[in-house]
Amino acid sequence: SQKIEQNSEALNIQEGKTATLTCNYTNYSPAYLQWYRQDPGRGPVFLLLIRENEKEKRKERLKVTFDTTLKQSLFHITASQPADSATYLCALGSGGFKTIFGAGTRLFVKA
Amino acid sequence: DSGVTQTPKHLITATGQRVTLRCSPRSGDLSVYWYQQSLDQGLQFLIQYYNGEERAKGNILERFSAQQFPDLHSELNLSSLELGDSALYFCASSVGITNEKLFFGSGTQLSVL
Repeated sequence: SQKIEQNSEALNIQEGKTATLTCNYTNYSPAYLQWYRQDPGRGPVFLLLIRENEKEKRKERLKVTFDTTLKQSLFHITASQPADSATYLCALGSGGFKTIFGAGTRLFVKA
Repeated sequence: DSGVTQTPKHLITATGQRVTLRCSPRSGDLSVYWYQQSLDQGLQFLIQYYNGEERAKGNILERFSAQQFPDLHSELNLSSLELGDSALYFCASSVGITNEKLFFGSGTQLSVL
């Protein structure tokens, strides 16, 4: 069955460093991959979408890579800030079918 | 503010009861999605509607049903509630049919006692 794996352990980093989160998937050939941010008790917020024919995408301090051979996406936050502390969800989609979310990785950025 | 409105924010009810969750999508969005999020299951896709028609179905129980009305708002009906149905229920919307760039509401926290 389709499976998305994100680090279940929280990631703790120091302010100013780069945070790198991993998303691995199996038994799926997504047309695109999305990253969302979720704060406690709130709905997920869309951050970035990268398509299968794109290797890398950037938006301000965010960078996403997508390797369809390794079936992996890396999500980077450069110059991290305490305000970046949240849970980050990876989501896979294919055409008009359902979007599948990973369980998310919690990020803590210490000042 | 995502522009997606969900009501109520909190719902406390007893086992065996029936509840209705309501969602108004962002202006101009034709697709509405329902997701269930619990601590041990993560975000689980339930169902999608596009312009009033059911588009895709996920892990939605037979006790649950949904519909999208002509004004594009949607309702999720949960019946014969069980303790395990306690969760955060999110509605999301998008412009098109392809599940890209979903805008989520703030959710309805359902507690079944």
